[in-house]
Amino acid sequence: ETGVTQSPTHLIKTRGQQVTLRCSSQSGHNTVSWYQQALGQGPQFIFQYYREEENGRGNFPPRFSGLQFPNYSSELNVNALELDDSALYLCASRGPNSPLHFGNGTRLTVT
Amino acid sequence: SQQGEEDPQALSIQEGENATMNCSYKTSINNLQWYRQNSGRGLVHLILIRSNEREKHSGRLRVTLDTSKKSSSLLITASRAADTASYFCATDYLYGNNRLAFGKGNQVVVIP
Repeated sequence: ETGVTQSPTHLIKTRGQQVTLRCSSQSGHNTVSWYQQALGQGPQFIFQYYREEENGRGNFPPRFSGLQFPNYSSELNVNALELDDSALYLCASRGPNSPLHFGNGTRLTVT
Repeated sequence: SQQGEEDPQALSIQEGENATMNCSYKTSINNLQWYRQNSGRGLVHLILIRSNEREKHSGRLRVTLDTSKKSSSLLITASRAADTASYFCATDYLYGNNRLAFGKGNQVVVIP
């Protein structure tokens, strides 16, 4: 049990729609990161938040955006969904000098 | 582009045997980490080795790091059926602000 919970566990959306994925981190974990994992691949870094500010971003377009809230929860928003956005989306959090703790992910299918 | 690349991609062994996986990376790192993932679920942190360390042990796990060759290996000794999973190496690279770059993963199947 990592203490990181994600919702929903599965989601089906249509191309062009928008989606919001949610994550609840452990208390005291000020850093939260989001990763995209396509089938058969390793996770790819989307972005990272520290104390509610984005402080790192991977090679993802602006239609991928996020928010981090003071209560250690966060969101990943994706606009104008494309078929290639189908993947497992992983949220991970950590405290100072600790490794990442991952949630079980949200499986997004875009049709 | 992905930092780490594991080799081999898939490994099938008998229970009790040892499993070895390798990982290479391209740029300088702060540390290298290994994670395990069961059936497309979340990743579980196994072990972290810093750039100034050469070998680290944790239970049945042994990790080595060769920064001159930019490579690492993960050894699981006396494997068990419960070790069946995908294993990923991830690099925390210099100036990366603690973001991790993952490899494509090794699928390990331990046959009882």
